[in-house]
Amino acid sequence: GAGVSQSPSNKVTEKGKDVELRCDPISGHTALYWYRQSLGQGLEFLIYFQGNSAPDKSGLPSDRFSAERTGGSVSTLTIQRTQQEDSAVYLCASSLWTGNQETQYFGPGTRLLVL
Amino acid sequence: DQQVKQNSPSLSVQEGRISILNCDYTNSMFDYFLWYKKYPAEGPTFLISISSIKDKNEDGRFTVFLNKSAKHLSLHIVPSQPGDSAVYFCAAKGAQKLVFGQGTRLTINP
Repeated sequence: GAGVSQSPSNKVTEKGKDVELRCDPISGHTALYWYRQSLGQGLEFLIYFQGNSAPDKSGLPSDRFSAERTGGSVSTLTIQRTQQEDSAVYLCASSLWTGNQETQYFGPGTRLLVL
Repeated sequence: DQQVKQNSPSLSVQEGRISILNCDYTNSMFDYFLWYKKYPAEGPTFLISISSIKDKNEDGRFTVFLNKSAKHLSLHIVPSQPGDSAVYFCAAKGAQKLVFGQGTRLTINP
């Protein structure tokens, strides 16, 4: 497809388990972002990849969260030892810069529920 | 430090009237601004943008206004339609990553 895809669309896990969330960005987009949206909250920035630069990890809430982007394309967000407060919608977005103008295109999100 | 703020968590407007969504920012280095719309169970979708060299950008029923001196932007939707009911996020960008506001839930009443 032409858009950003994410998998799985829904994930239910038990507290303490690890989860991996996947994002397939739009082909050719050099920037990739992960956000999460907790119930009733706004978009919380997690991590940002831009080309071959070191990722901006300033939004990761704890060291249980990590992400990688292989080959400048697919990205995986990993949450270790999940906690109930990790329950949220995890959104991935990719973008292409034109000068300093950047428009992000979002995937549908992964709904994570930690029991 | 919330660099982009949407101070109204919700807004209710009658169908056919004008909806005005507001956004304030603190970083004077921001020079590109966007609005996104989000329906439940979907990712946000791009709506309209404006560069800091302009003070207005119009696309159909949607107009974004930028007041740089006040560090304020607004989205006007006229006339409002029931399908406009969604959460609207403003976002701002400087040399680095996009920064999003908390969102405003717009409800259009028939």
